[in-house]
Amino acid sequence: DIVMTQSPLSLPVTPGEPASISCRSSQSLLYSNGYNYLEWYVQKPGKSPQLLISLASNRASGVPDRLSGSGSGTDFTLKISRVEAEDVGIYYCMQGLEVPLTFGGGTKVEIK
Amino acid sequence: VQLVESGGGLVQPGGSLKLSCAASGFTFSDSDMHWVRQASGKGLEWIGRIRSHVYTYATAYAASVKGRVSISRDDSKNTAYLQMNRLRTEDTAVYYCVRRVVGTTDRYFDYWGQGTLVTVSS
Repeated sequence: DIVMTQSPLSLPVTPGEPASISCRSSQSLLYSNGYNYLEWYVQKPGKSPQLLISLASNRASGVPDRLSGSGSGTDFTLKISRVEAEDVGIYYCMQGLEVPLTFGGGTKVEIK
Repeated sequence: VQLVESGGGLVQPGGSLKLSCAASGFTFSDSDMHWVRQASGKGLEWIGRIRSHVYTYATAYAASVKGRVSISRDDSKNTAYLQMNRLRTEDTAVYYCVRRVVGTTDRYFDYWGQGTLVTVSS
């Protein structure tokens, strides 16, 4: 199984400041078609998770452009250029390359 | 679009439970359906999936539940099911039903249910 490792576990951020979450996979998520099968989800307090990013860098509909995904192979990053109060939640990366699909442990973003 | 899970509740260790996921607002029969669970205060864990008729309803399961769970679907009722047997205390979690988009290149979970709580305890 592909192991997904996220860091940090917790990320206190001052509003307006940037934030960055790292996600590493135990094997490459780069498929032969040139795409990386890495997704990002956020679970806001009391809610079901929701999609942020697919294919490592494709922002989902309605996701603000303050959020961006990057990376390839085994190293990926989710960046928030200027954190806002609405960004509070737990962020998960997930590999979609093969079953079993596997999630990272999550990164809790909170406002300082 | 709605995914509504039901069937959760309290069950004794070793018991069984069948969860349902009623879908509306999209073409259920063409959709791959997954189950994801989350223990209280913990992260997300993929449980398994059933593909659409296009992929001959292929199923796959996580090692942690393989042999104890079975995913099925009834396209005439727009409903997916998660049958769980020989339940353990560590199966206690909120269970989410999720639709997975599988495009030519892109894949992602777009719709999540609100979740149903399963508690395994004596």
